[in-house]
Amino acid sequence: GEQVEQLPSSLIVQEGASVLINCSYTDSASVYFPWYKQEPGKRLQFIIDIRSNMERKQNQRLTLLFDKKTKHLSLHITATQPGDSAIYFCSASINYGGSGNKLIFGTGTLLSVKP
Amino acid sequence: GALVYQYPRRTICKSGTSMRMECQAVGFQATSVAWYRQSPQKTFELIALSTVNSAIKYEQNFTQEKFPISHPNLSFSSMTVLNAYLEDRGLYLCGAWTGGNQDTQYFGPGTRLLVL
Repeated sequence: GEQVEQLPSSLIVQEGASVLINCSYTDSASVYFPWYKQEPGKRLQFIIDIRSNMERKQNQRLTLLFDKKTKHLSLHITATQPGDSAIYFCSASINYGGSGNKLIFGTGTLLSVKP
Repeated sequence: GALVYQYPRRTICKSGTSMRMECQAVGFQATSVAWYRQSPQKTFELIALSTVNSAIKYEQNFTQEKFPISHPNLSFSSMTVLNAYLEDRGLYLCGAWTGGNQDTQYFGPGTRLLVL
């Protein structure tokens, strides 16, 4: 079935460093790719998304790159802060037989930013 | 802004009993609502996708008989876990789609189910 692979599974960096999280998906019919952040005990928070007609999207310190040909996405976070510490999930949207869309999630990347 | 509420946030039930959880979209009309279960390892399983005025679609390994869902309008959905057992433990997340050209899914904080 459809799969989303995410690497690395964890990252530990010093405050101010940049990080890169990679994601690949299998279903070529996927057209929408939202990313979420989950802090301990908090809800899954939408942070950025990209659609298949774009190659790049930026939102402040977040840059999301998309390569349709290789079915690959990467999230770049610059100038990391301790508040960025969380689990980051990539996902791919797949049409659910005409009934709407479902998200297939990656396994998550645990980011720890040390002050 | 778009917000999704879930109730209760945490619940404990005895093995073999049932519990109902609710999901409310505020600030937008949810064209469809997806229910997920997040494991302790943080992976997500889609349980079902519910679209108003359409049949609810369940994923493999999840059935209406075990996880009946009600989706009466564009802002509210509820799901019941019937005859809960240990393997049903986890964080149940509701994700509501906004619809339109910028269709985005927003999540509630989840209902954590503990089964004794």
